[in-house]
Amino acid sequence: GENVEQHPSTLSVQEGDSAVIKCTYSDSASNYFPWYKQELGKGPQLIIDIRSNVGEKKDQRIAVTLNKTAKHFSLHITETQPEDSAVYFCAAVSGSARQLTFGSGTQLTVLP
Amino acid sequence: SAVISQKPSRDICQRGTSLTIQCQVDSQVTMMFWYRQQPGQSLTLIATANQGSEATYESGFVIDKFPISRPNLTFSTLTVSNMSPEDSSIYLCSHHRGDTEAFFGQGTRLTVV
Repeated sequence: GENVEQHPSTLSVQEGDSAVIKCTYSDSASNYFPWYKQELGKGPQLIIDIRSNVGEKKDQRIAVTLNKTAKHFSLHITETQPEDSAVYFCAAVSGSARQLTFGSGTQLTVLP
Repeated sequence: SAVISQKPSRDICQRGTSLTIQCQVDSQVTMMFWYRQQPGQSLTLIATANQGSEATYESGFVIDKFPISRPNLTFSTLTVSNMSPEDSSIYLCSHHRGDTEAFFGQGTRLTVV
């Protein structure tokens, strides 16, 4: 089955700086890669996603890149703000099972 | 996306008892999913629930421990049976828009004492 690894597990940045979180996946059949933000006491919220036919996608301060050859994808947050502080999860969906396999999560702290 | 309401939001239970978690979606959805998130950990899929059929459980999860009901296309329940402290986790339900985009309820934080 699919295996998703996520790094780093914790990340602290100064407000206004950029944050990058990286994930790798094992199943070459995976074709959908979402990113979730989970705030304390809440369920995960989809913030951006990318499909395997696209190399990069942007939504305001958030961008995701995908390298299918290397089987890795990354989340980029620019101009970070304190409200970006949360746990971020990457995930992958394989073509056959259509199930989400999550990474281990990254606790992002934006320091004011 | 359909809005998911999950309850209770949290509970503290005695070991050996059972807790039923309810998940209500405000529109009809084909598949609903139940996840467990242990403290400080990632999400692990427990089972997939389709209306009118038995849930499909992932490796390591069994129906006797986590019975699931799916009586209609907007509602599902997960029961955590004969609880022990190791069952202390956040339990989340979700549904998919299309075949990929997943949306989650707010979760049920369970503490077993």
